[in-house]
Amino acid sequence: AQTVTQSQPEMSVQEAETVTLSCTYDTSESNYYLFWYKQPPSRQMILVIRQEAYKQQNATENRFSVNFQKAAKSFSLKISDSQLGDTAMYFCALHNAGNNRKLIWGLGTSLAVNP
Amino acid sequence: EAQVTQNPRYLITVTGKKLTVTCSQNMNHEYMSWYRQDPGLGLRQIYYSMNVEVTDKGDVPEGYKVSRKEKRNFPLILESPSPNQTSLYFCASSEQGARYTEAFFGQGTRLTVV
Repeated sequence: AQTVTQSQPEMSVQEAETVTLSCTYDTSESNYYLFWYKQPPSRQMILVIRQEAYKQQNATENRFSVNFQKAAKSFSLKISDSQLGDTAMYFCALHNAGNNRKLIWGLGTSLAVNP
Repeated sequence: EAQVTQNPRYLITVTGKKLTVTCSQNMNHEYMSWYRQDPGLGLRQIYYSMNVEVTDKGDVPEGYKVSRKEKRNFPLILESPSPNQTSLYFCASSEQGARYTEAFFGQGTRLTVV
């Protein structure tokens, strides 16, 4: 079975500090993609960052970066220089290439950035 | 601007009254899908469509119907809504090519069935 687990239901961080959100997953596929989505209070689901499993290099998008540990099936998100606008639910998601393109979602981590 | 548009954003209805939530994308994506989001259960796929006239069930299809007569539109139909279909619904689209890209999501539809 394919699963995505986010073990931290809630987290908080002070503005300008760094925070890491955890995600572990399980899949028997060798070709897959991993994503972090952000859902602010507006409810819009916004892609933060994506990682192809075949790439060893960790993806980076401005202040957002991932630590992809394929053997450990771990995919954590690091947010540097946290901003108030980063306050949101963060979802980790898995897609197996060749699947119906269904995303397998974690239950999310609620991140609060405090001034 | 590339986008997925859902309507309505909020809807309160009564049990048994048929309703349709529309979804339209302007990116010429072949793949579209519907998810529902519930507290403690996360996002679950309802139906998906790989192309025009090609649809299939996701994880929680009971009580829902879809159609894909045009590439850009993928409406979600609740023929006889029940209170357990109260949820936040998302439409998403993505490319069909070998190199998968991220899914683009609509803004969500908050449905309440009383």
